Amino acid sequence: SQKIEQNSEALNIQEGKTATLTCNYTNYSPAYLQWYRQDPGRGPVFLLLIRENEKEKRKERLKVTFDTTLKQSLFHITASQPADSATYLCALDPSGGYNKLIFGAGTRLAVHP
Amino acid sequence: GAGVSQSPRYKVAKRGQDVALRCDPISGHVSLFWYQQALGQGPEFLTYFQNEAQLDKSGLPSDRFFAERPEGSVSTLKIQRTQQEDSAVYLCASSLGASGGVSSYNEQFFGPGTRLTVL
Repeated sequence: SQKIEQNSEALNIQEGKTATLTCNYTNYSPAYLQWYRQDPGRGPVFLLLIRENEKEKRKERLKVTFDTTLKQSLFHITASQPADSATYLCALDPSGGYNKLIFGAGTRLAVHP
Repeated sequence: GAGVSQSPRYKVAKRGQDVALRCDPISGHVSLFWYQQALGQGPEFLTYFQNEAQLDKSGLPSDRFFAERPEGSVSTLKIQRTQQEDSAVYLCASSLGASGGVSSYNEQFFGPGTRLTVL
């Protein structure tokens, strides 16, 4: 079956360290993959999109990699801050059409001072 | 500027009641999506509108779920004869364009969601 897997356990790190979150998918060949941030009681907020022909994408302290051979994306937050604490979701559009998104379950990140 | 708004933010219904959830997308956004998010899970696609046309309703879990967007702006998700398994957060998202794909990706902007609890 088609699915997207993210680390189900919360990730706890110390402030200033780099957080790395993993997204694996099976039976898809997406043209691009996206990462969202979701805070409690709020809707997801778009962070980054990476295309299949891009190995790496950066935005400020965020970095995303996309390995279509491994069917995996890694999401890094460098110099993490307590304000980065949230749930991070990866998503892809399996059809490459109108952006109907399939989401993973998300990984909760807690950055401790 | 105004983002996507949803109302009510919280809804408690007795099993068997009908509910209506409203979404006000960002003005001028062509595409509108509804998602269902269970506790501890990611959002799951329900349905998609391009202007007033419902182009994809493949994610609606049963014929008790109905969505409309009659004038191509505000949308309503209606659930008839609610069941306990309908308890979830219902998210609405809108995006500017109609076409998708790699070359013309349109970012989806999500509302805060409506938390539905069916007793």
